Amino acid sequence: AQSVTQPDIHITVSEGASLELRCNYSYGATPYLFWYVQSPGQGLQLLLKYFSGDTLVQGIKGFEAEFKRSQSSFNLRKPSVHWSDAAEYFCAVASPYSGGGADGLTFGKGTHLIIQP
Amino acid sequence: ETGVTQSPTHLIKTRGQQVTLRCSSQSGHNTVSWYQQALGQGPQFIFQYYREEENGRGNFPPRFSGLQFPNYSSELNVNALELDDSALYLCASSPGLAGVQETQYFGPGTRLLVL
Repeated sequence: AQSVTQPDIHITVSEGASLELRCNYSYGATPYLFWYVQSPGQGLQLLLKYFSGDTLVQGIKGFEAEFKRSQSSFNLRKPSVHWSDAAEYFCAVASPYSGGGADGLTFGKGTHLIIQP
Repeated sequence: ETGVTQSPTHLIKTRGQQVTLRCSSQSGHNTVSWYQQALGQGPQFIFQYYREEENGRGNFPPRFSGLQFPNYSSELNVNALELDDSALYLCASSPGLAGVQETQYFGPGTRLLVL
């Protein structure tokens, strides 16, 4: 069974500083990989996704993520955070072999990002 | 704004009762998935419907059931509520059956409290 670990429950970053959120997965092959953001009262919003190819993926809102097969990691980065980036961030995986995505997404427990002024 | 709405926003029920949660997908989205998000946890996949038929299920008991209607609305029904069913319930819609390769659009969720 696949699983996702987000080692940091909370991260505090000063506005304008760089950000890296960690994600490690457990799966027998390369899964599909995703990062979602959840703000209070809002649904989950997809930031970026990786299926194959270039291991550095660009997403929305200035985020990027790098897939590292050797480390089973898919860390999310942003060069300069804004106060509006404060939210809950979830890494998720899915099996590329599940027909029609019928196994759904497997999410980590999330990292709560706090932005200091 | 994802175009996916859920009702009600909050709900309080008593253990043993039944509950129905509703989701309205984007027009043209034939796939809807439901997730349960307990406090402090990531969402967990309950099941997925495509054109009114269940085509995938997570590790949830049969008392969790669903319906999908031709007008792009859907329901999640939970019978014999237990305290552990207290959670945020999210629905997500996508256009077709390409599964997770398609972007899923999540609603804001229904927060259920079971007393």
